[in-house]
Amino acid sequence: GENVEQHPSTLSVQEGDSAVIKCTYSDSASNYFPWYKQELGKRPQLIIDIRSNVGEKKDQRIAVTLNKTAKHFSLHITETQPEDSAVYFCAATAAGNKLTFGGGTRVLVKP
Amino acid sequence: DVKVTQSSRYLVKRTGEKVFLECVQDMDHENMFWYRQDPGLGLRLIYFSYDVKMKEKGDIPEGYSVSREKKERFSLILESASTNQTSMYLCASSSGGNTYEQYFGPGTRLTVT
Repeated sequence: GENVEQHPSTLSVQEGDSAVIKCTYSDSASNYFPWYKQELGKRPQLIIDIRSNVGEKKDQRIAVTLNKTAKHFSLHITETQPEDSAVYFCAATAAGNKLTFGGGTRVLVKP
Repeated sequence: DVKVTQSSRYLVKRTGEKVFLECVQDMDHENMFWYRQDPGLGLRLIYFSYDVKMKEKGDIPEGYSVSREKKERFSLILESASTNQTSMYLCASSSGGNTYEQYFGPGTRLTVT
C-alpha cells in the first residue's frame, strides 16, 4: 500500500519568513495530494490540494508543488503569520477516497 | 456548511470494556471514515464505508469493528478496549464521486485505564 513520509516533524520560523514542508510517497499510481491544517484543539481542515496532472497550485500565501518523477510534493507558506501556527498533514491517494497521511509537521511562527 | 459531529469529546473506559464511538454527518455524504491520531504517526485509517452497510478495512483495523446502518451515521466499536487503544479518534466524511475533500469531526479523546 501507499506510504507517505513527511519532513520536518517540527518547524520554527520568524514571522514574515517562508516555511516549506516536504512529503514523499511510494505508490506511483497516486494522483491526488491534499494538505490539511489542524490548529490546536481543532479538527483538521483542507487548505489546498493538487492532482497529478498539475505541477503547481497557488492560493494566496500557500502553494503546493508536485514532482511525479521523484514522487514528492511540498507545501510552501510565504510571509508567515502567527495564525499559520498549526500542525500540517500531507496525504496521498491512488484510490480516490482512501487517503494515506504523513506524520505531520508542527509549525510555530514566532512574532 | 458540512457538519460532522461525534458523540463524545472525552471518554474514559476500563480495560476489557466494549466501547462505542458514534459519528453523524448532515450533508448526505456517501463516504465515512474513522481515523486514530497519535503524535508523530499522523492520521491512520481504521475503517471506512462508501455506502450503507458497506465497510472496508483501513490500515489498522485490528481490535476494531464498525457499523453503518444509516447513511448519516458511522459507529466505531472497540470490542474489548485495551490500553494501547488510548488515542484521539477522528471521524470524517466525503461526498464521493470525484470530490475527495474530507470533513472531520471534532474528535474523541479516549483513555483506557
